[in-house]
Amino acid sequence: NAGVMQNPRHLVRRRGQEARLRCSPVKGHSHVYWYRQLPEEGLKFMVYLQKENIIDESGMPKERFSAEFPKEGPSILRIQQVVRGDSAAYFCASSPGGTGANVLTFGAGSRLTVL
Amino acid sequence: EDQVTQSPEALRLQEGESSSLNCSYTVSGLRGLFWYRQDPGKGPEFLFTLYSAGEEKEKERLKATLTKKESFLHITAPKPEDSATYLCAVSDNYGQNFVFGPGTRLSVLP
Repeated sequence: NAGVMQNPRHLVRRRGQEARLRCSPVKGHSHVYWYRQLPEEGLKFMVYLQKENIIDESGMPKERFSAEFPKEGPSILRIQQVVRGDSAAYFCASSPGGTGANVLTFGAGSRLTVL
Repeated sequence: EDQVTQSPEALRLQEGESSSLNCSYTVSGLRGLFWYRQDPGKGPEFLFTLYSAGEEKEKERLKATLTKKESFLHITAPKPEDSATYLCAVSDNYGQNFVFGPGTRLSVLP
């Protein structure tokens, strides 16, 4: 029973290029969250998605960043025209949803370096 | 707006020296409080969920407690392998977002 799978684990981009980070949630989980973590800092919420819907994107920059969670396939976090400040670890987490206080299961993260 | 703070920022202990980590929170209707452990270069790993004041949970050398305003993670007789960053998070009754604190970096020296 695989956990949350993220790829790539490491990604290097030059300024102005696009970065695409993928996340496959735990089987059966329909809720996906993306967080960003800078060195020596905590996790900052970016976006919360359910299948085919963005539920809360209040933590995501208005420009250059987008996320999707299609009916089929992984969730994608897309960063267009990357800048050095986008260098960070991006973590995806999933939960089963429902009315309880669901536990988040995290992936190992994707580390983006912008040159 | 939900807020989570953690103290201390960093903590160094000798092996066997017990201590506690603090998580203070402000939330409009607590749905759950969560503790995670994060090792360098890895994703956070779930430890505990606490739902209501007075609740306690234990796992090996760790014990988590909850009041109406804060949670403590007590570590008894720690070992070097307990070295990690410990993260606290809350979720509220009005959404399904999870707000994380900045973490406490724990180092246990042999």
